[in-house]
Amino acid sequence: KQEVTQIPAALSVPEGENLVLNCSFTDSAIYNLQWFRQDPGKGLTSLLLIQSSQREQTSGRLNASLDKSSGRSTLYIAASQPGDSATYLCAVWSSASKIIFGSGTRLSIRP
Amino acid sequence: IAGITQAPTSQILAAGRRMTLRCTQDMRHNAMYWYRQDLGLGLRLIHYSNTAGTTGKGEVPDGYSVSRANTDDFPLTLASAVPSQTSVYFCASSDHPPGGQGGETQYFGPGTRLLVL
Repeated sequence: KQEVTQIPAALSVPEGENLVLNCSFTDSAIYNLQWFRQDPGKGLTSLLLIQSSQREQTSGRLNASLDKSSGRSTLYIAASQPGDSATYLCAVWSSASKIIFGSGTRLSIRP
Repeated sequence: IAGITQAPTSQILAAGRRMTLRCTQDMRHNAMYWYRQDLGLGLRLIHYSNTAGTTGKGEVPDGYSVSRANTDDFPLTLASAVPSQTSVYFCASSDHPPGGQGGETQYFGPGTRLLVL
């Protein structure tokens, strides 16, 4: 069964820093990997989706990479801002397990 | 464009009662999903529908049923609610189901907070 792990569970950095969030998965037979952010008490907002055949996706200050062979994805946030404070979730869709979410990284950007 | 709407926003329900959570999307997406989110357990897929007229079971389907009579609506029914179904329920949709067609990005509704006593 697919397992998805996100490290670290929480991260606090000063404004302006570049940072990397990590997501690892155990079954490399995936359809896609998606990164979301969730603000307290709210639904999920999609950030980036990487298809199984792709290596990375970029949107503004965000860049997500995918290495299926090692079962890893990273979300790179450039020039962090206080508005980036949220919980970041990765989710992996595979034929065997359907969609499995990681437990998230709670990010706090200090002004 | 509203995207995805869910109703009710929150509900307190007596154990044993029947409850239907409503989900409507106006994006003409083919695929729809229901999740529950619990502290310590994260988000888990309950049921999904790849297209109108079809449904499938996710990771935690027991105690829940769904139907997909048309493209826009995907109601989730708890036939006889139990306290362990206390959770936040999210509905989501994507243009296409996963499988390489593209359009697989999922868009989420605001959620329904359900307390079963």
